[in-house]
Amino acid sequence: DAGVIQSPRHEVTEMGQEVTLRCKPISGHDYLFWYRQTMMRGLELLIYFNNNVPIDDSGMPEDRFSAKMPNASFSTLKIQPSEPRDSAVYFCASSRSGSGLETQYFGPGTRLLVL
Amino acid sequence: AQTVTQSQPEMSVQEAETVTLSCTYDTSENNYYLFWYKQPPSRQMILVIRQEAYKQQNATENRFSVNFQKAAKSFSLKISDSQLGDTAMYFCAFANWGKLQFGAGTQVVVTP
Repeated sequence: DAGVIQSPRHEVTEMGQEVTLRCKPISGHDYLFWYRQTMMRGLELLIYFNNNVPIDDSGMPEDRFSAKMPNASFSTLKIQPSEPRDSAVYFCASSRSGSGLETQYFGPGTRLLVL
Repeated sequence: AQTVTQSQPEMSVQEAETVTLSCTYDTSENNYYLFWYKQPPSRQMILVIRQEAYKQQNATENRFSVNFQKAAKSFSLKISDSQLGDTAMYFCAFANWGKLQFGAGTQVVVTP
């Protein structure tokens, strides 16, 4: 079975540009999570969805960040406008349930560099 | 709010030896789940082992085992017979209703 798929794997952009990160969860998984990893803050949860509906977006840093899940097999995380401090590795993960019992499976991540 | 603390930024171990990584957490919840994830240089997050808080028996997965002390809120990971491929950052994580809270990580370096 294919794991969680993320694209692009690497993204270099200039400050002020719009960035869109994409994620395809594992088929049959009802929960999708977006994480950000930085040296300063470690791994932090940005937002998660259940059955395509956003459940908790309290980790989203500010209004420049938005996430959507138009269907069960696709999600996007958008940053507009991007800033250098957004440089990080962004992970998408999915699980079959949100109870905590089910393991979250992570994608390979997107390494974002904003110049 | 839950917190997860990993007090060892880096640990070095020789091949075939054993290393133990510490993790403590703070929560008022009674039912929760604990995980150890491994992040090699490729940056892929890989599940190593998980433990359900209501289970007293410590989880094991091949060369990896945990020592779960619920009263002390401690969840250490033991890597036995260390291999070069075990070199990675190891993250302890707490989960309650799906939201993973990660520790800062411990870098493990396995030397020949």
